[in-house]
Amino acid sequence: NAGVTQTPKFRILKIGQSMTLQCTQDMNHNYMYWYRQDPGMGLKLIYYSVGAGITDKGEVPNGYNVSRSTTEDFPLRLELAAPSQTSVYFCASSFGRGLNEKLFFGSGTQLSVL
Amino acid sequence: AQSVTQLDSQVPVFEEAPVELRCNYSSSVSVYLFWYVQYPNQGLQLLLKYLSGSTLVKGINGFEAEFNKSQTSFHLRKPSVHISDTAEYFCAVRPQNTGKLIFGQGTTLQVKP
Repeated sequence: NAGVTQTPKFRILKIGQSMTLQCTQDMNHNYMYWYRQDPGMGLKLIYYSVGAGITDKGEVPNGYNVSRSTTEDFPLRLELAAPSQTSVYFCASSFGRGLNEKLFFGSGTQLSVL
Repeated sequence: AQSVTQLDSQVPVFEEAPVELRCNYSSSVSVYLFWYVQYPNQGLQLLLKYLSGSTLVKGINGFEAEFNKSQTSFHLRKPSVHISDTAEYFCAVRPQNTGKLIFGQGTTLQVKP
């Protein structure tokens, strides 16, 4: 049981480059999330999805895009990378309701934009 | 839109002393509330959650939290802390009518011997 798998674990980008952070879960969770974690700032929600084909903006969506074509996958796209996007990114998933509500996190992606 | 505020960025406390980590939220609709913990160099794990029912919620590792709707608070408490409780603690809130789960800024609990 893999849980939530994020790739890559580390990446260095040059300003203006683009990349996709991959996230997949094998728990049949409806809800999926992308967060970024910066020191002293907690986790900021970038985008979330409550099911395949449904996505919505979080607190800090600018500079990012997502898609959810399947229940399992929720990739995060960075277009025109900027130094402000240097952060640790976490993907997470949840059943989203009831007694089983609990976020399962991926291991994170450390991204540096230079 | 909802928001979450953790009132203390750092809380130093001596071992075996009680501790309270404060969390306030705002939302125009009813919410679900959570506390997560992040130990050094580890991922986040769920401590406890309030979905409905009793306002006093017990979690893992001896932690508990009380939901106070009138004060829009969800403070985390432990009667006697251990060195191993040193970690970053995050309060989180999700309105019941959306999937939008947001976190507070985090509180660093530093337990001293």
